[in-house]
Amino acid sequence: EAQVTQNPRYLITVTGKKLTVTCSQNMNHEYMSWYRQDPGLGLRQIYYSMNVEVTDKGDVPEGYKVSRKEKRNFPLILESPSPNQTSLYFCASSLPGGAGGYTFGSGTRLTVV
Amino acid sequence: SQKIEQNSEALNIQEGKTATLTCNYTNYSPAYLQWYRQDPGRGPVFLLLIRENEKEKRKERLKVTFDTTLKQSLFHITASQPADSATYLCALVPYGNKLVFGAGTILRVKS
Repeated sequence: EAQVTQNPRYLITVTGKKLTVTCSQNMNHEYMSWYRQDPGLGLRQIYYSMNVEVTDKGDVPEGYKVSRKEKRNFPLILESPSPNQTSLYFCASSLPGGAGGYTFGSGTRLTVV
Repeated sequence: SQKIEQNSEALNIQEGKTATLTCNYTNYSPAYLQWYRQDPGRGPVFLLLIRENEKEKRKERLKVTFDTTLKQSLFHITASQPADSATYLCALVPYGNKLVFGAGTILRVKS
């Protein structure tokens, strides 16, 4: 089954404790992206990657890092999480140009206390 | 400034009726526009894409129109069912792969 897999599904952590949210896709998509979703603000792009070793900032990149060492994986790293990063996070992938639509993961609900 | 606007109020309709959702945008020249469905706590699911040179697209009970002069897309669900209740997101691709989302409209279909 074609899918984007995120882990963990839920995570509660403390301020300052580094964490990684993993994302993997099995569709051989070149393009991958991370979004956060907050009430009233909709989906906002954090980082994206056009292909292996090619990443760029989205609209809200502060406090996040990403890497793309393999085509299928695109982890999101929070080096020093803060409470304002409490949110619902989604990873997505697509073919170049996004013409076939984006495939989203099931989401990671992160709470930073 | 660039904006994508969807009805902020929920749309409540009776089962069997046609639901019409609106997406308006300003200061974008999108190559195409997409519609997604999102259920609470779940990831968005791609429904339909319409290109700038297409006026209308259909898929089963779904129909999307795209008017680049009005800078508006309409999303229709005919013969709506309670299972269609969800949040529907409009998204633009202004350039490259970047996808910019509207805040979404909640649709409630009552039986």
